[in-house]
Amino acid sequence: ETGVTQSPTHLIKTRGQQVTLRCSSQSGHNTVSWYQQALGQGPQFIFQYYREEENGRGNFPPRFSGLQFPNYSSELNVNALELDDSALYLCASSPTAGGFSGNTIYFGEGSWLTVV
Amino acid sequence: GQQVMQIPQYQHVQEGEDFTTYCNSSTTLSNIQWYKQRPGGHPVFLIQLVKSGEVKKQKRLTFQFGEAKKNSSLHITATQTTDVGTYFCAGCPLRAAGNKLTFGGGTRVLVKP
Repeated sequence: ETGVTQSPTHLIKTRGQQVTLRCSSQSGHNTVSWYQQALGQGPQFIFQYYREEENGRGNFPPRFSGLQFPNYSSELNVNALELDDSALYLCASSPTAGGFSGNTIYFGEGSWLTVV
Repeated sequence: GQQVMQIPQYQHVQEGEDFTTYCNSSTTLSNIQWYKQRPGGHPVFLIQLVKSGEVKKQKRLTFQFGEAKKNSSLHITATQTTDVGTYFCAGCPLRAAGNKLTFGGGTRVLVKP
């Protein structure tokens, strides 16, 4: 139990639709990162939010967007879904964005997205 | 962009034997982290290495960070069935915006009883 909760756990969407995934970070953690993990691969960094602002982004198109709220929970939005967006989406929470040194990062259990 | 490679991709180990998995980054890292992911589960943080040449132990697991801070290894002694899973290294590049972690492709470990 990491204290990071994600919802929904599983969902199926049709190509072209939009999806919103949610993450509640561990209490006291002001930084949330999102990762995409395709089957059989390592997680890939999508972006990070620190104190409600985007704080770094990986190689993902603009149709991947996010938000962080004052309570530090976060959303990942994906527009115009493509078949290749099918993956496990992981949220990771940490106490600070100023360097992970000495800080444990906690992953949620993920949201499995299938695009058909 | 930065790449992190892990070898081997698969490791079949007889219970009780030792094995090592290796991680190599194309760029110098500020730190490297190791995660374990059980089948159907999420990555679980194991350890972080920060200093050049650092060695850390967790029971039967020994983690090492290379002198050039571009490679790392995980050595497991006396493998047990509970060690089954995928082990990922994840590197944090120097001066990376947002402390972006770049994960390797993982080493999938199967243990033969």
